[in-house]
Amino acid sequence: AQSVAQPEDQVNVAEGNPLTVKCTYSVSGNPYLFWYVQYPNRGLQFLLKYITGDNLVKGSYGFEAEFNKSQTSFHLKKPSALVSDSALYFCAVRGETRYGGSQGNLIFGKGTKLSVKP
Amino acid sequence: KAGVTQTPRYLIKTRGQQVTLSCSPISGHRSVSWYQQTPGQGLQFLFEYFSETQRNKGNFPGRFSGRQFSNSRSEMNVSTLELGDSALYLCASSLPWTGRTEAFFGQGTRLTVV
Repeated sequence: AQSVAQPEDQVNVAEGNPLTVKCTYSVSGNPYLFWYVQYPNRGLQFLLKYITGDNLVKGSYGFEAEFNKSQTSFHLKKPSALVSDSALYFCAVRGETRYGGSQGNLIFGKGTKLSVKP
Repeated sequence: KAGVTQTPRYLIKTRGQQVTLSCSPISGHRSVSWYQQTPGQGLQFLFEYFSETQRNKGNFPGRFSGRQFSNSRSEMNVSTLELGDSALYLCASSLPWTGRTEAFFGQGTRLTVV
């Protein structure tokens, strides 16, 4: 069965410093991986995805993620954190079940709260 | 391009009542999925509709149901509400799966059961 783990409940970073939010996954077959961000009382915003190709994926708002197949990891990174990056971050993997054009389901990690202090 | 629209944004219901939530996907998106978000259980998949047919279902009791209309709009219904159904319900829409598409989420409906 597909699963995702986010080992840190919270990550604290000073503004201007690099940030990393960790994610490891377990899948059967090819992994389809995603990062989403959630601000308070809001839905999820798509940041980036790995489907195939380059291991370094660039996404929205200066975020990038590094896919590592041998370590089954997909860590989210940003070279210089902003206070406005403070939010809840979710890693997700596509579920196995897809029929025709359907999407299947997303399996989410429990989320990591990122706090960026000035 | 308009995003995913969920209505209502907030809802307060009493135990035992039923509730219907609505989701309008992004124009052209035919797949609609529903998720429940709670502090204890996190984000959990409820079901997915594609071309008016339920394609996938999560591990939720039969009190949770949904449907999709020919214009891809979707509704989910929860009958006989329980206190534990209090949650943020999120709808996501996407293009047909091609291996390169992602889901876009609405802002959610915050359901409080009292």
